[in-house]
Amino acid sequence: AQSVAQPEDQVNVAEGNPLTVKCTYSVSGNPYLFWYVQYPNRGLQFLLKYITGDNLVKGSYGFEAEFNKSQTSFHLKKPSALVSDSALYFCAVRDSVIYNQGGKLIFGQGTELSVKP
Amino acid sequence: DGGITQSPKYLFRKEGQNVTLSCEQNLNHDAMYWYRQDPGQGLRLIYYSQIVNDFQKGDIAEGYSVSREKKESFPLTVTSAQKNPTAFYLCASSMRDYDGVYEQYFGPGTRLTVT
Repeated sequence: AQSVAQPEDQVNVAEGNPLTVKCTYSVSGNPYLFWYVQYPNRGLQFLLKYITGDNLVKGSYGFEAEFNKSQTSFHLKKPSALVSDSALYFCAVRDSVIYNQGGKLIFGQGTELSVKP
Repeated sequence: DGGITQSPKYLFRKEGQNVTLSCEQNLNHDAMYWYRQDPGQGLRLIYYSQIVNDFQKGDIAEGYSVSREKKESFPLTVTSAQKNPTAFYLCASSMRDYDGVYEQYFGPGTRLTVT
């Protein structure tokens, strides 16, 4: 079965410091991986995705994520955090071997990122 | 949020009443989705539709119904059979993955409160 785990409910970072939000996954075949961000009472915004190729994926707002197949991880990173990065972050996965699923995503439970000045 | 509208933003209903949540998209996407979000549980898929006049149950379809009569619209009805309907409901759409893997675009959500 497909699954996604975000082991930290909350991550606290000082502004200007690097940040990492962790994500691990489990799928039958090759994973398609996504990161989304959600601001309070808003919908989700797409940040980046990994389909194939380079393990380091660059996305919106200076975020990047590193795919690690051996560790089944897809951690979200940013070299220098901003207060405005404070939000709820979701990792999601699709399994490449499951067809006719209409792009169905499995989401992690979310990680609350708090960046303090 | 651009391209997908959900209305209303806040909705209040009495227990035992059915309620329909609206979702419209102008992105020309074939696929549309409904999710439910509860605190600490992430997003759970209720229904999804890959094409007009076709839809499939997601992981938590009981107590919900949908229709897909137009490409642009995918309304969700929360019926009185849904035991715990109070939640934040999110609609999303995406291109179909004929030739690639595409991200989903989300609407701003509808917060439903049933008392």
